[in-house]
Amino acid sequence: GQNIDQPTEMTATEGAIVQINCTYQTSGFNGLFWYQQHAGEAPTFLSYNVLDGLEEKGRFSSFLSRSKGYSYLLLKELQMKDSASYLCAVMDSNYQLIWGAGTKLIIKP
Amino acid sequence: GAVVSQHPSWVICKSGTSVKIECRSLDFQATTMFWYRQFPKQSLMLMATSNEGSKATYEQGVEKDKFLINHASLTLSTLTVTSAHPEDSSFYICSARTSGGVYEQFFGPGTRLTVL
Repeated sequence: GQNIDQPTEMTATEGAIVQINCTYQTSGFNGLFWYQQHAGEAPTFLSYNVLDGLEEKGRFSSFLSRSKGYSYLLLKELQMKDSASYLCAVMDSNYQLIWGAGTKLIIKP
Repeated sequence: GAVVSQHPSWVICKSGTSVKIECRSLDFQATTMFWYRQFPKQSLMLMATSNEGSKATYEQGVEKDKFLINHASLTLSTLTVTSAHPEDSSFYICSARTSGGVYEQFFGPGTRLTVL
């Protein structure tokens, strides 16, 4: 079966750094996405990785290791507005997105 | 960036009535559109995938006669919840994808449906 695992909830302090991990087992791989979703709103795109390595985009970076079936989203200089759920999704061989359950990130002052 | 709109943003209806939700891609042609449902504190659940001009493909457990999907053009897809019941109350989100690129999905703002 297909499976995406990520922690249910994480807490971090404003100004700090947090890493949200995602492991996956899917039938085929055509890339991994990270989305941010604030409560009551639709997800917004953060990053896409299809090759191994680190992709940096401002305060957010995303890493992928295809051999390990592993990715992480790194958030630096945390701000209160970063409090949200972070969804990991893998595109399988049929170009369908398989979604993780999301990680709720709580930022404390 | 690509913009997807959804209408209405929220709707309250009586049990037994039907509700139509529209999803539009405003500045690009969406060859494929997806409909998701999300219950509180849960992740997105894919309901169906629709390609322009063809019948939608429904996920297992989703009743195609209850959730009618029409994707008549490259910029519009509609989801009709027929004979809605309180258990259909949820957050419905559509997304659209172009035929090229990295197959990124662009999400609409969602529709909050409450069935009394």
